[in-house]
Amino acid sequence: DQQVKQNSPSLSVQEGRISILNCDYTNSMFDYFLWYKKYPAEGPTFLISISSIKDKNEDGRFTVFLNKSAKHLSLHIVPSQPGDSAVYFCAAIIIQGAQKLVFGQGTRLTINP
Amino acid sequence: DAGVIQSPRHEVTEMGQEVTLRCKPISGHNSLFWYRQTMMRGLELLIYFNNNVPIDDSGMPEDRFSAKMPNASFSTLKIQPSEPRDSAVYFCASSPRNTIYFGEGSWLTVV
Repeated sequence: DQQVKQNSPSLSVQEGRISILNCDYTNSMFDYFLWYKKYPAEGPTFLISISSIKDKNEDGRFTVFLNKSAKHLSLHIVPSQPGDSAVYFCAAIIIQGAQKLVFGQGTRLTINP
Repeated sequence: DAGVIQSPRHEVTEMGQEVTLRCKPISGHNSLFWYRQTMMRGLELLIYFNNNVPIDDSGMPEDRFSAKMPNASFSTLKIQPSEPRDSAVYFCASSPRNTIYFGEGSWLTVV
């Protein structure tokens, strides 16, 4: 049962343009949603998160939007830079009781100069 | 803070050998997770501990895998006997509450 899904395995964007990474989930009990960025040969790095009671969180070039009715979230990167090329994982967590972070399959973002 | 520390970073071992991966979580974090990443399955949760107690080990592939957390600052993931299909990157992560921090991973190759 894939509770968190990233349906696009890859995305290619021109430098300076906006990158939009999408994620869908099925469990309405998730409290937080997180985005991680992963370079080859490194562990995932936490990027940005959003509480389930909010619909937007912004941090510099990164903005995460949450649409609870559609059970959909997206990560916007603007402007995109070559250093943003990496695999991006969407994740979700339930805070109450024992924690369990559920990951999507990842989207490989390539920023073209 | 040194972050989550994993060892070894790389290991190549022969099929049938025992493999032990080690993890030191960030001090003060009460949850610890072991993940495995493969090309076929992506990032999957193997087991996680809360206050040193295993909470959910449903992701552990089979009896050849075992994990321990004898104290708040150390955990091991053991594979015995190892098989070529165990080749993957194994990540340890720790969490204080609602964000999880990953180590750099242990790259395992079983030949």
